[in-house]
Amino acid sequence: GAVVSQHPSWVICKSGTSVKIECRSLDFQATTMFWYRQFPKQSLMLMATSNEGSKATYEQGVEKDKFLINHASLTLSTLTVTSAHPEDSSFYICSAGRRESGTDTQYFGPGTRLTVL
Amino acid sequence: KNEVEQSPQNLTAQEGEFITINCSYSVGISALHWLQQHPGGGIVSLFMLSSGKKKHGRLIATINIQEKHSSLHITASHPRDSAVYICAVRSRGADGLTFGKGTHLIIQP
Repeated sequence: GAVVSQHPSWVICKSGTSVKIECRSLDFQATTMFWYRQFPKQSLMLMATSNEGSKATYEQGVEKDKFLINHASLTLSTLTVTSAHPEDSSFYICSAGRRESGTDTQYFGPGTRLTVL
Repeated sequence: KNEVEQSPQNLTAQEGEFITINCSYSVGISALHWLQQHPGGGIVSLFMLSSGKKKHGRLIATINIQEKHSSLHITASHPRDSAVYICAVRSRGADGLTFGKGTHLIIQP
């Protein structure tokens, strides 16, 4: 089966610092990668969609200058939370899209729990 | 109103019971996903549906496109089925998913 990894699985940082989260598709090339965020007791929310070699498409209300997405290759996307603040503390999940039998299927990473002090 | 509504929000049942979780959505979709989220947060994709019914082990998922409704059933439930079950839809023309708030299922031995 398709495997997506995220690194780190958790991170604690001080307010004002930047944090980079990596998302890798380990055994397939992902046509598209997605970044989601989940606050406690809330549903997952799509933050942005990224395709390799092009700029990410951000959802309304998500600041592109704060959440930098770099999609360097078909197997790696990174999300950098710049100048993190406590309100950015959340669970960040990526997924990688793969076309199978004419259908686009998403495979989810295990998530990264970010705590900003 | 959320585009994706799930019910119930919380469900506690005894081991062996037949479980049904419902999902209603309000937009035209190209696919509907059922996901399982464990306490640590990791998400496993259970099913992706665009029509009809799918079965995998003790799990069954159905979708009625005309009624904009899907159900996830668990037969012979077991404590290890305890998790949050999330319904997510991909709107027509979109790539990303819109998620329901999830159903927190607890199966007691």
